[in-house]
Amino acid sequence: DAGVIQSPRHEVTEMGQEVTLRCKPISGHNSLFWYRQTMMRGLELLIYFNNNVPIDDSGMPEDRFSAKMPNASFSTLKIQPSEPRDSAVYFCASSASVGSGGSNTGELFFGEGSRLTVL
Amino acid sequence: AQSVTQLDSQVPVFEEAPVELRCNYSSSVSVYLFWYVQYPNQGLQLLLKYLSGSTLVKGINGFEAEFNKSQTSFHLRKPSVHISDTAEYFCAVRRSGYSTLTFGKGTMLLVSP
Repeated sequence: DAGVIQSPRHEVTEMGQEVTLRCKPISGHNSLFWYRQTMMRGLELLIYFNNNVPIDDSGMPEDRFSAKMPNASFSTLKIQPSEPRDSAVYFCASSASVGSGGSNTGELFFGEGSRLTVL
Repeated sequence: AQSVTQLDSQVPVFEEAPVELRCNYSSSVSVYLFWYVQYPNQGLQLLLKYLSGSTLVKGINGFEAEFNKSQTSFHLRKPSVHISDTAEYFCAVRRSGYSTLTFGKGTMLLVSP
């Protein structure tokens, strides 16, 4: 299994530019999560989807942030316009739905992250 | 809502010494508990998890953790650390019936020769 795949791994952009981060979850997983990691705030959940539907977006900082999941194998996190305080590592994670049987425990599988620097 | 407290932001230790990384959680309902490890410039990897049953859980790389319900703790231990264990360790809790994990702030384990 290829694991969760994120792109780009690194992004450097200027304030005001649009940033799009991409994620391909593990095949068969139907929950997808976007986290942001900073030194000051640690790991913060931004939004999560179940069966491609956004369930909880209360962690999205403001309207500049948006996320989509058009199908089960792809999700995007967009920041428009970007600001220096958005600089962070953004992680995507996927899991099988809780209670879907078998040995599923709600364990999250993380991608390698996208390091964003906004100048 | 649940929360996770990792009491130490950094734990320095010498190679081959034992280590304990502390984690306390707060929740009034059943929870599942996890420890993840993050090596530099990488994503988080699962070390071990507690779901039910035996309170002593063994994970990868020689780590183990003990669930203590009365103290609402899930401390991570290793009897003898290696240089390669240098990484950040995150404790996480998931409330029964919910999909999301809440993470602690992380503990940086620094192993020196």
